[in-house]
Amino acid sequence: DIVMTQSPLSLPVIPGESASISCRSSQSLLHSNGHNYLDWYLQKPGQSPQPLIFLGSNRASGVPDRFSGSGSGTDFTLKISRVEAEDVGVYYCIQTLQTPPTFGQGTKVEIK
Amino acid sequence: EVQLEESGGGLVQPGGSLRLSCAASGFTFSSYEMNWVRQAPGKGLEWVSYISSSARIIYYADSVKGRFTISRDDAKNSLYLQMNSLRAEDTAVYYCARGYSYGYDFDHWGQGTLVTVSS
Repeated sequence: DIVMTQSPLSLPVIPGESASISCRSSQSLLHSNGHNYLDWYLQKPGQSPQPLIFLGSNRASGVPDRFSGSGSGTDFTLKISRVEAEDVGVYYCIQTLQTPPTFGQGTKVEIK
Repeated sequence: EVQLEESGGGLVQPGGSLRLSCAASGFTFSSYEMNWVRQAPGKGLEWVSYISSSARIIYYADSVKGRFTISRDDAKNSLYLQMNSLRAEDTAVYYCARGYSYGYDFDHWGQGTLVTVSS
């Protein structure tokens, strides 16, 4: 199975500032079709996970442009520009290239 | 509006069985791949099972293979997870999630149903 490693696991942030989360995979997630099969989800406190980014850099429907995904191969980054209080929660990356799809451990973002 | 609503969770003894359901609405259920994803208390997310839109392709996580069975009834717009030989480590909130384009792109999730395996 592909192992996903996120860092940091905890991230205190100041509203208005930017924040970045790293996600690394044990194998390349770049498909021959040119897409990186790496998605990002946010689970807000007490809620179900919600999609943020698909295929490395494509924002899901309704996701503010403050969220951006980048990277290729085995190294990926989720950046939150101008963090807002509503952005707190646990962020997960997941590789969807191979079965089973595997999640990272999660990064807990909280307001400093 | 796309809606997914899980039901069927509860307390069950080790070795017991439980059947989860996921009622779908607001979209053409038969056209979409579906998944179950679980989350143990205080832990991260773990993919459990996948079923294609035709139900011809099914996958399971190794941790549940041989014990869990995923199925769907398109006439009832419903997804199911039959869980047998339950273990304490199966205790989790179980979410059903729709695969939008490539099966594992979970664009909509239900609210989850809690399964507790304990004596």
